[in-house]
Amino acid sequence: KQEVTQIPAALSVPEGENLVLNCSFTDSAIYNLQWFRQDPGKGLTSLLLIQSSQREQTSGRLNASLDKSSGRSTLYIAASQPGDSATYLCAVLQGAQKLVFGQGTRLTINP
Amino acid sequence: DTAVSQTPKYLVTQMGNDKSIKCEQNLGHDTMYWYKQDSKKFLKIMFSYNNKELIINETVPNRFSPKSPDKAHLNLHINSLELGDSAVYFCASSLLRGSLYGYTFGSGTRLTVV
Repeated sequence: KQEVTQIPAALSVPEGENLVLNCSFTDSAIYNLQWFRQDPGKGLTSLLLIQSSQREQTSGRLNASLDKSSGRSTLYIAASQPGDSATYLCAVLQGAQKLVFGQGTRLTINP
Repeated sequence: DTAVSQTPKYLVTQMGNDKSIKCEQNLGHDTMYWYKQDSKKFLKIMFSYNNKELIINETVPNRFSPKSPDKAHLNLHINSLELGDSAVYFCASSLLRGSLYGYTFGSGTRLTVV
């Protein structure tokens, strides 16, 4: 059974810092990995999608990497801003059937 | 706007009632899902439909019944609501079961059972 773990559960950093969020998964037989952002009381916004054959994807200040063999992904946020404060969720697509989520990292960027 | 839209956004109801949540997507996707986010914010899949066919039915009480009248719509009916059903329910959709472009989520329905 696939299990997805995100570390740390919460992170607070001053504005302007670069930071890394971690995601690990137990079964490397995945189709892809998706990073989402969830603001309080809101839905999920897709940030980046990495296919299993890819190593990384970039969008603006965000860079996500994938090491499928070791079951790890990282989300790198450069030059963090208060508007980046949210919960970040990692999810893996298992067997092209269902997306399995981690429990998220709650990120706070302090002005 | 192209999106996954859910109604209602908020639902407050008494124990024992029956309620429905509706979901529609205009993205041309062929697969739709219901996810439940519990009080600890953990998201777990409940159901999935591909071209109106039920393909995933997780361990969910049979008080929950999904219905997909067509590829663009997926509804969730809940009978005899219980306190433990209080959660945020998210609808999502994807193309080719999410293998190419990932999932798109709606904004959620916050269900409170009192």
